[in-house]
Amino acid sequence: GNSVTQMEGPVTLSEEAFLTINCTYTATGYPSLFWYVQYPGEGLQLLLKATKADDKGSNKGFEATYRKETTSFHLEKGSVQVSDSAVYFCALSGFESSGSRLTFGEGTQLTVNP
Amino acid sequence: EAQVTQNPRYLITVTGKKLTVTCSQNMNHEYMSWYRQDPGLGLRQIYYSMNVEVTDKGDVPEGYKVSRKEKRNFPLILESPSPNQTSLYFCASRRGEVRTQYFGPGTRLTVL
Repeated sequence: GNSVTQMEGPVTLSEEAFLTINCTYTATGYPSLFWYVQYPGEGLQLLLKATKADDKGSNKGFEATYRKETTSFHLEKGSVQVSDSAVYFCALSGFESSGSRLTFGEGTQLTVNP
Repeated sequence: EAQVTQNPRYLITVTGKKLTVTCSQNMNHEYMSWYRQDPGLGLRQIYYSMNVEVTDKGDVPEGYKVSRKEKRNFPLILESPSPNQTSLYFCASRRGEVRTQYFGPGTRLTVL
């Protein structure tokens, strides 16, 4: 079946540091890939997505590139802010006999200190 | 405003007392689903519904029921809650086979 593996957290950075959160996946066919973000006390929000190989999703300074050859979708940001502190989830959506469904990674807690 | 709403947002209950968590979406989405979020496990799907009167089990359906009598609503029912169902629950919806799902704000459930 499908699976998503994220780098273990928590991750603590200083403001303006470079961020990478690794995500690799296992899936059959051509899944769509997502990053969701969960700010403290809130629900999940879609951060960015990519639907085919070599696509780059981007939003709010975050980027991730769909790499089929390495089955990866790493999240990056060049200069993090305190307001980026949240839990980040990598997810994939692939078609199965039951229709498309989301499979999530474990989540990575990011804390950015001033 | 397009949104998925859940009620209640917080609930503390006791073992065996039946409860229902409601979920409603105003986007006319066909597909709705329920997830639970637990530390170190990410989100796991409980049940999903492809359309009205069509529901099926996800990865962790034991102890839960759902119904889909109307397109906009997808309640989650715990007939006899147990402490291992203490968790953060999310409802989500999407349109047809478009893969992007929209999530509700979450319901934090504690079963004593």
